[in-house]
Amino acid sequence: EVQLVGSGGGLVQPGGSLRLSCAASGFDFSSYDMIWVRQAPGKGLEWVSFISTSSGTKLYGDSVKGRFTISRDNAKNSLYVQMNSLRADDTAVYYCARVRAGAGTYYYMDVWGKGTAVTVSS
Amino acid sequence: QTVVTQEPSFSVSPGGTVTLTCDLSSGSVSTYYYPSWYQQTPGQAPRTLIYSTGTRSSGVPDRFSGSIVGNRAALTITGAQADDESDYYCALYMGSGIWVFGGGTKLTVL
Repeated sequence: EVQLVGSGGGLVQPGGSLRLSCAASGFDFSSYDMIWVRQAPGKGLEWVSFISTSSGTKLYGDSVKGRFTISRDNAKNSLYVQMNSLRADDTAVYYCARVRAGAGTYYYMDVWGKGTAVTVSS
Repeated sequence: QTVVTQEPSFSVSPGGTVTLTCDLSSGSVSTYYYPSWYQQTPGQAPRTLIYSTGTRSSGVPDRFSGSIVGNRAALTITGAQADDESDYYCALYMGSGIWVFGGGTKLTVL
């Protein structure tokens, strides 16, 4: 079964750090670009970060640029995001998702992790 | 800043047809934005419904369809069922691994 399982969320104080993980199984993880998407309480989905298969391309949304770092370990079938200088408005459920990119034919997310909750509060 | 706008809420009767739309602040939505649609129920991860404007994801019932209507991406549900009551999000691909999501539409079936 194709599956993504997020972990590492929790309660952190403003200014603190947290590292989220996303464990992939059931597919060749190294062949897929991956992204992080978050959802603040009662709000919509927000694209956070993108990483290409070989980690050669890493992209960030303006709201997290300079504070978050995306990475992956293809040998461990795992995706990560290191979140530093956390703020109250980073409070959200963070989802990892698999990207399907078809060279001018399709670009979308086809597999979603269950999400891990991050709360930034003192 | 690119803003993608969806109707905040919509209501449909069981068995009825509803079309949700996805608008782009900077111009028209075309197939080159590869519109995709996601369904989300409370406490759950999103589920992929439609990609590349009108292609249904695996296992998605054919009562869900996607298209471009005028200058907007559209998701049409034909013969709505009670368990279609969910939040629906569109996403537009901006290129280079970047997507912008719409604010979502809360669909009520009653």
